[in-house]
Amino acid sequence: DQQVKQNSPSLSVQEGRISILNCDYTNSMFDYFLWYKKYPAEGPTFLISISSIKDKNEDGRFTVFLNKSAKHLSLHIVPSQPGDSAVYFCAASGRTYKYIFGTGTRLKVLA
Amino acid sequence: DTAVSQTPKYLVTQMGNDKSIKCEQNLGHDTMYWYKQDSKKFLKIMFSYNNKELIINETVPNRFSPKSPDKAHLNLHINSLELGDSAVYFCASSQGPITYEQYFGPGTRLTVT
Repeated sequence: DQQVKQNSPSLSVQEGRISILNCDYTNSMFDYFLWYKKYPAEGPTFLISISSIKDKNEDGRFTVFLNKSAKHLSLHIVPSQPGDSAVYFCAASGRTYKYIFGTGTRLKVLA
Repeated sequence: DTAVSQTPKYLVTQMGNDKSIKCEQNLGHDTMYWYKQDSKKFLKIMFSYNNKELIINETVPNRFSPKSPDKAHLNLHINSLELGDSAVYFCASSQGPITYEQYFGPGTRLTVT
């Protein structure tokens, strides 16, 4: 029972264009969401988060959008850069001390 | 000045052996975690300690035993290793247990033969 789903295992985007990574969740009790980036042979690195009281959070080139009614969040990266090529994980928490992670989307930014 | 460090980075061992993975964080965080990333890339939490107290204990075999000697350390001991234990194990820490981003170590790739 995967409560957090990233249905696109991979995504390729041209450098300079927008990358949109999607994440769906099933548990309506989730109220805090994070995105992590992971390079090979490294641990995930925190990127950006959003609380359920907001529908958008922006940090530089990264913006996370939350649609609570659809139980959907997305990460926008604009403009995309080759260094953004990595695996991106979304994670959700419902104040149970633990985060549920999605299976990740591999982003490849083409130069 | 690594924030979250794990040793060893790679661990190859035979079935039935007992092994430990060590984790240390120098961020002054109160909460530490162990995650397992399996072959399907699922990243699943195993344990969490807050101020040395166990707050999350997911459904993992009792062959896995975490030990937190102090707030900065959370070690993972595994008894009677099985083939299915092969995975990458990540340690992480956060300022607190809820709504705080987690800082991950580089991972320990465990291979059981």
